[in-house]
Amino acid sequence: AQSVSQHNHHVILSEAASLELGCNYSYGGTVNLFWYVQYPGQHLQLLLKYFSGDPLVKGIKGFEAEFIKSKFSFNLRKPSVQWSDTAEYFCAVATGGGNKLTFGTGTQLKVEL
Amino acid sequence: DAGVIQSPRHEVTEMGQEVTLRCKPISGHNSLFWYRQTMMRGLELLIYFNNNVPIDDSGMPEDRFSAKMPNASFSTLKIQPSEPRDSAVYFCASSRPQGYTEAFFGQGTRLTVV
Repeated sequence: AQSVSQHNHHVILSEAASLELGCNYSYGGTVNLFWYVQYPGQHLQLLLKYFSGDPLVKGIKGFEAEFIKSKFSFNLRKPSVQWSDTAEYFCAVATGGGNKLTFGTGTQLKVEL
Repeated sequence: DAGVIQSPRHEVTEMGQEVTLRCKPISGHNSLFWYRQTMMRGLELLIYFNNNVPIDDSGMPEDRFSAKMPNASFSTLKIQPSEPRDSAVYFCASSRPQGYTEAFFGQGTRLTVV
């Protein structure tokens, strides 16, 4: 079965700092990759997704992620974070063309003023 | 579109009582998922349906949990009897049936079993 690893459980940054959150998955076949964000007390919302094509995908709110197939990675980046980016971030994978998502354990990001 | 609608938003119940959580997926979405979120275990997929048929219920923790989808616009997750360790946020999500699409999540039901 596929699995998703997020190595950073808690990240604290100052405003304007750059962000990179790691995500690795274990599955040798075709994958669809997602990053979701969960603001405090809210539901999960999609930040960005990768299905095929350009491995560098851009999402909402200035986020982007790069799919590196050889490394089984899909890291999330943002060049300059804002206080409002404080949230929990989840990486997820769907395999074999299906739509069943497996989530990582999440990374709690806190941005300080 | 109103998105995925879950009810109730909050539920507090006593141990041993039956709890029913409800979900209305987005119209036209043929796949429906029930997830449970806890601090200890993160987001766990409990069960998912395609075209109202349960496809994978391997995540359902035990026989106390059951889920139904009687039609394309409604699903329930039932816990009977409930236990304190069932306390969690339960999310319902829906998506179009096959790949190349993301799941849309409801606001969740925060269940507390005392």
